[in-house]
Amino acid sequence: GDSVTQMEGPVTLSEEAFLTINCTYTATGYPSLFWYVQYPGEGLQLLLKATKADDKGSNKGFEATYRKETTSFHLEKGSVQVSDSAVYFCALILNNNDMRFGAGTRLTVKP
Amino acid sequence: DAGVTQSPTHLIKTRGQQVTLRCSPKSGHDTVSWYQQALGQGPQFIFQYYEEEERQRGNFPDRFSGHQFPNYSSELNVNALLLGDSALYLCASLQTSDSYEQYFGPGTRLTVT
Repeated sequence: GDSVTQMEGPVTLSEEAFLTINCTYTATGYPSLFWYVQYPGEGLQLLLKATKADDKGSNKGFEATYRKETTSFHLEKGSVQVSDSAVYFCALILNNNDMRFGAGTRLTVKP
Repeated sequence: DAGVTQSPTHLIKTRGQQVTLRCSPKSGHDTVSWYQQALGQGPQFIFQYYEEEERQRGNFPDRFSGHQFPNYSSELNVNALLLGDSALYLCASLQTSDSYEQYFGPGTRLTVT
């Protein structure tokens, strides 16, 4: 079935380091792809999205490109901050009904 | 503009009891989805309501049921609670005629003892 696989955490980085969180997907059609962020004790916030191949989603310095040939949507940021510490979820949706999430990657950024 | 709101924030129940969780969608949204997020896991889709009917359902037993009201708000009911039902329950809303972008509420933390 349709699913998302993302790199396992936890990931610990120093402030200003480069971040990559890998995400690959399996889908029967052409899904829309998302990255959500969850801060401690809170719900999910949409970080960025891409709805078709080669689209690049970006927000708050984070970027991800929809790669159909490698079925990937890796999250990147050039210089992380302590405030980026959170759990990041990759997700896909093929229609309006059922969003599939990865297991989440916990990021800790140390000063 | 109020986002998605959920109540209560936290809830403690005993095995075998029943629970009702509530969700108000973001203004202008007509579709509500419910997700279960176990500790350390990604959210799992329970079901989605649109026009007061269940439109699609994930792999959850019939103990999980829901309702959507004419004002688009929604309830999630869980009967015969099990210890394994302990989780964060997330509500998400969207406008069906719009993009696939779902807005999530802060969740209800359910603990079953």
